[in-house]
Amino acid sequence: DAGVIQSPRHEVTEMGQEVTLRCKPISGHDYLFWYRQTMMRGLELLIYFNNNVPIDDSGMPEDRFSAKMPNASFSTLKIQPSEPRDSAVYFCASSPRTEYSPLHFGNGTRLTVT
Amino acid sequence: AQTVTQSQPEMSVQEAETVTLSCTYDTSENNYYLFWYKQPPSRQMILVIRQEAYKQQNATENRFSVNFQKAAKSFSLKISDSQLGDTAMYFCAFTRFNNNDMRFGAGTRLTVKP
Repeated sequence: DAGVIQSPRHEVTEMGQEVTLRCKPISGHDYLFWYRQTMMRGLELLIYFNNNVPIDDSGMPEDRFSAKMPNASFSTLKIQPSEPRDSAVYFCASSPRTEYSPLHFGNGTRLTVT
Repeated sequence: AQTVTQSQPEMSVQEAETVTLSCTYDTSENNYYLFWYKQPPSRQMILVIRQEAYKQQNATENRFSVNFQKAAKSFSLKISDSQLGDTAMYFCAFTRFNNNDMRFGAGTRLTVKP
């Protein structure tokens, strides 16, 4: 079990550019989550999927953010256009089945928008 | 909406001593799940311990135990025989029954001193 794999680990981009963050969940996990971590707001749930279908995207800050899960082994979080206030660590997590299952987190992507 | 509050932004403890991190939550639900996660400097989020609300017995995992007070909506984490490797951010988290959106507190930064 390789765990949840996120790429890139670090991303530095200029304001206005498109940013794509990638995630490969643990095989067999039905749920995939995207979180954003900042000093000011802590860990915020952005969106989560069940069997590749978005279930709750109420945490997505605005239309500049979009997430997709085209298949069970891959998800992307895209920011277009990026802004300096999007700078944060973005975590992807997956879990097997039920609400009592713990989340398995990736190592996160540290995004810096200048 | 469910909220999770960690009122101690930072704490420190001497190696080998015991420390308790506090967490309170607000919910109108009767069934739910509570978790403590650890985030060391490596940034990886690691499950420490979890508790089902319908179980009265407090969960324990080796040196880690919780004091779950359902009526008071309190879920504190006790770390016994603290080790240097326990230095990390600790997050309390909540999930409703039949719902997978896990909500996190702001975290407590714990430093274990030699």
